[in-house]
Amino acid sequence: KAGVTQTPRYLIKTRGQQVTLSCSPISGHRSVSWYQQTPGQGLQFLFEYFSETQRNKGNFPGRFSGRQFSNSRSEMNVSTLELGDSALYLCASSLSSSGGAYIQYFGAGTRLSVL
Amino acid sequence: DAKTTQPTSMDCAEGRAANLPCNHSTISGNEYVYWYRQIHSQGPQYIIHGLKNNETNEMASLIITEDRKSSTLILPHATLRDTAVYYCIGSNAGGTSYGKLTFGQGTILTVHP
Repeated sequence: KAGVTQTPRYLIKTRGQQVTLSCSPISGHRSVSWYQQTPGQGLQFLFEYFSETQRNKGNFPGRFSGRQFSNSRSEMNVSTLELGDSALYLCASSLSSSGGAYIQYFGAGTRLSVL
Repeated sequence: DAKTTQPTSMDCAEGRAANLPCNHSTISGNEYVYWYRQIHSQGPQYIIHGLKNNETNEMASLIITEDRKSSTLILPHATLRDTAVYYCIGSNAGGTSYGKLTFGQGTILTVHP
């Protein structure tokens, strides 16, 4: 079974631009979570989608948004990029929808550099 | 999510068991204990999870104290490829926390030849 696929793997943008990152979850997984990882803040939760609905959101500004499609693929968008948005963006998918253990399987991430 | 406390770093000799402790004294009854690891610049890798009972899989064993306030991840025969940052997480991500795992700073495990 294929794992979580994130595209692109690397991205370079300039301040003020916007960017869209893509995540294809493991087949059959309906929940997708996004995280940002920086050296200073570590791994931080951005948001989670299940069945095309955002169920949970972390403490990030509105410039960070996401969506999920009917095939469970997800995208996240960052508008008006700032230097501090340079980070590794990770996507994780999970089979579980409610209650019980919630095992997330992570992709390799997208490394975003903002110049 | 429960607040977890882990040692900043640990060393282990190759072939020996690596025992990584985690304190999660504020964990609530419906929160699972998860362990993940992250090898440099890769996505975190799931290792094992548990609620109350000790658990074992092909990668590791998880020992949870009876009061659930702490746990230990055991890698029975550490190899150089086990060098990574290990994260202990207490979460109800399958319930009200909806998909959120709260990662702390983790333990940097270095396995020496």
